[in-house]
Amino acid sequence: EPEVTQTPSHQVTQMGQEVILRCVPISNHLYFYWYRQILGQKVEFLVSFYNNEISEKSEIFDDQFSVERPDGSNFTLKIRSTKLEDSAMYFCASSDGQGGYNEQFFGPGTRLTVL
Amino acid sequence: GENVEQHPSTLSVQEGDSAVIKCTYSDSASNYFPWYKQELGKRPQLIIDIRSNVGEKKDQRIAVTLNKTAKHFSLHITETQPEDSAVYFCAAEFFGNEKLTFGTGTRLTIIP
Repeated sequence: EPEVTQTPSHQVTQMGQEVILRCVPISNHLYFYWYRQILGQKVEFLVSFYNNEISEKSEIFDDQFSVERPDGSNFTLKIRSTKLEDSAMYFCASSDGQGGYNEQFFGPGTRLTVL
Repeated sequence: GENVEQHPSTLSVQEGDSAVIKCTYSDSASNYFPWYKQELGKRPQLIIDIRSNVGEKKDQRIAVTLNKTAKHFSLHITETQPEDSAVYFCAAEFFGNEKLTFGTGTRLTIIP
């Protein structure tokens, strides 16, 4: 069964550094998402992406964040200048958006630790 | 915006008993309600979902009910087993608005 994949599984970085988190969505899916989960808390929406542009973003997704689909398979989240509070698990998800309902499948996550 | 409340935050049940987790949502236009199971350190996995034109859906030991008037939906797990132990999240989506809004999660522990 196809799955969303993410790399790396764990990223440790110094405050102020840039990080890029990578995702490979399920191949026939058209909608892509990033969510984050601070340890012990709920999953929070960051951004959705469709047709090569952002379709929605949350208030968390400020100017430090950007997303890109550099080729036909990868979907990336960049954090330009990391802060301590960016430490979290970041999940990529994808859906085919068929029928107007949005069954989203999650990747295994990247644990980001900002020191 | 949409807000989803989930109760209880923790739940312990004896193996073989039933577990019920409840969620309420604020946006009456929400029309898709998935439930995710998350084991420690792993991804949220979709276990069942329900759409607003349906009142109940069942898949083996798992069922979900939806009350649109009251804006609440519930997850029911029967004949619980140790492998059901995990954190369960409900979520809601407003039609045409792609994001999922998650509840705060329920840590379910099955006592052997």
